[in-house]
Amino acid sequence: GAVVSQHPSRVICKSGTSVKIECRSLDFQATTMFWYRQFPKQSLMLMATSNEGSKATYEQGVEKDKFLINHASLTLSTLTVTSAHPEDSSFYICSATGTSGGRETQYFGPGTRLLVL
Amino acid sequence: SQKIEQNSEALNIQEGKTATLTCNYTNYSPAYLQWYRQDPGRGPVFLLLIRENEKEKRKERLKVTFDTTLKQSLFHITASQPADSATYLCALGERALTFGSGTRLQVQP
Repeated sequence: GAVVSQHPSRVICKSGTSVKIECRSLDFQATTMFWYRQFPKQSLMLMATSNEGSKATYEQGVEKDKFLINHASLTLSTLTVTSAHPEDSSFYICSATGTSGGRETQYFGPGTRLLVL
Repeated sequence: SQKIEQNSEALNIQEGKTATLTCNYTNYSPAYLQWYRQDPGRGPVFLLLIRENEKEKRKERLKVTFDTTLKQSLFHITASQPADSATYLCALGERALTFGSGTRLQVQP
């Protein structure tokens, strides 16, 4: 079945630094990928829609200059958290739409745990 | 604004029983409703999608109902097993999803 991977799975960084998270669709092409954020014991919140070859679409309240998204190929989207602060510590999850049994299905990555000190 | 409610209290049941989880939503008329399973520290895994014109959908031991009048979906796991213990998320939409906060299910052996 379709697989989505994320790298790194876990990252610890100092406040003020930037962190890049990669999301890859391993065996299918994804023109659209989605980035979510999940705080402890809370729901996944959609941050942005990543479109291959064009600018990302951000949800209300998400700063596009802070969360830079690049979707340079049909199998890779990256999320860069710029000038990270402790409040950016969260679980970041990407998803992509693949086809299984002739039907479109959302496949989620395993997530990236970010801790900003 | 759109709101999705899932029972935040954990659901504890005995192995072999049927687990029933509830998802209620307001200020929204979704064409699609989905259910996902999430284990601690992992991304969600797709379980079932039901469309607004479908009343019920089944997949092995899973059953989902979708009542657009009540704005409610019920998710059933029959013959539950300890391995079914996880958090179950309700999500509205087809691709860009709006998630509920999830209900944790604990199946006791």
